[in-house]
Amino acid sequence: DIRVTQSPSTLSASVGDRVTFTCRASQHIGNWLAWYQQKPGKAPNILISKASTLESGVPSRFNGSGYGTEFTLTISSLQPDDFATYYCQQYYSYSRMFGQGTKVEIK
Amino acid sequence: EVQLVESGGGLVQSGGSLRLSCVASGFSFSGYWMSWVRQAPGKGLEWVANIKEDGSEQYYADSVKGRFTISRDNADNSLYLQMNSLRAEDAAMYFCARDVGSVVTPFDYWGQGTLVNVSS
Repeated sequence: DIRVTQSPSTLSASVGDRVTFTCRASQHIGNWLAWYQQKPGKAPNILISKASTLESGVPSRFNGSGYGTEFTLTISSLQPDDFATYYCQQYYSYSRMFGQGTKVEIK
Repeated sequence: EVQLVESGGGLVQSGGSLRLSCVASGFSFSGYWMSWVRQAPGKGLEWVANIKEDGSEQYYADSVKGRFTISRDNADNSLYLQMNSLRAEDAAMYFCARDVGSVVTPFDYWGQGTLVNVSS
């Protein structure tokens, strides 16, 4: 199975900060990586597919990049609505493994 | 409007069985892979299983292989997860999600989840 590892597990930041999360795949996955946002008690919501394609309705402050085994999600200016947990997921293989998540907390 | 509605969760004893269902509407169900994802209380997302559009292929997480079976009925737009030999660590919210298909975007729609509790 292709594993994906996220870092950090928790991130403390303030409104207006630029924040970056990292996702590493255990083997090459091309650009078959998605990012999700999840808020407590809710199902996840897809933000980015194919490593860098912003999904419809997702604010432009979210940016995904990377290829192969290293990927990043950047929020250019953190907004109050962005305090949540973020997950990456590879879909290169049939086993759609998720990363462990990065929780963004208010500093 | 795309909708996924799960049902079938509940309290079951360790070693018992449960069958989850997910009814889909608002899209061509037979044109998409479908997945089950679970989330234990306070924990992260764990992909559980998925099934090809026509049901001919299924894949499972190692943690459930041999105990869980994913299936679908395209005539009824329904997805199922048969869970046998349940363990305490299987207790979680279980979500069904639309996997890839004619739209190659994974997990773009999710259900609200159904809760499974396992008692020892």
